[in-house]
Amino acid sequence: DAKTTQPTSMDCAEGRAANLPCNHSTISGNEYVYWYRQIHSQGPQYIIHGLKNNETNEMASLIITEDRKSSTLILPHATLRDTAVYYCIVTDSNYQLIWGAGTKLIIKP
Amino acid sequence: DTGVSQNPRHKITKRGQNVTFRCDPISEHNRLYWYRQTLGQGPEFLTYFQNEAQLEKSRLLSDRFSAERPKGSFSTLEIQRTEQGDSAMYLCASSLGTGSIRDTEAFFGQGTRLTVV
Repeated sequence: DAKTTQPTSMDCAEGRAANLPCNHSTISGNEYVYWYRQIHSQGPQYIIHGLKNNETNEMASLIITEDRKSSTLILPHATLRDTAVYYCIVTDSNYQLIWGAGTKLIIKP
Repeated sequence: DTGVSQNPRHKITKRGQNVTFRCDPISEHNRLYWYRQTLGQGPEFLTYFQNEAQLEKSRLLSDRFSAERPKGSFSTLEIQRTEQGDSAMYLCASSLGTGSIRDTEAFFGQGTRLTVV
């Protein structure tokens, strides 16, 4: 079973920051948080991952709370092409990704 | 294009027929995964290979399903005696798989959409 809880769907205006929350209250000390997204009819695409420090790359920023029970993915300037299903995933002890249903993010013009 | 190639992209088959899908991972990647995804759900893990060794199989992988990666390069997933419940997107992914958490970023193919009629 997925170890994360995400809202089913969210809207965001084009050009604004999209903040996608994720709860992972049962995460253990050595488990990482990964974010992937899936644009319609395509395979999932890796975005970012982290353990306890905040992370940033060219696509997004990942903010993990100090207690590691939740995190937020931030897309700083959302575009229409960012419309997708975003998956927050906690790895298991074998580094396997356990997927939930994700958040459907709709970017509106 | 992630570098992971899956063929065919679409397959329609009659119930009871056998089907085989192929996945060509990124060439230097040691680890190869198969997932199944149904509408509105996230991918469900089926199995993975470290080089040519199949290291883990999900309980979702019934005895009608078999996967191979004979030379540690491409992989095939075969479904025998297909059922309507097998209709889904079958996704392949690969990663470096060196055992370090830094190497677990998985690159996915476009998937093969199977429809069993």
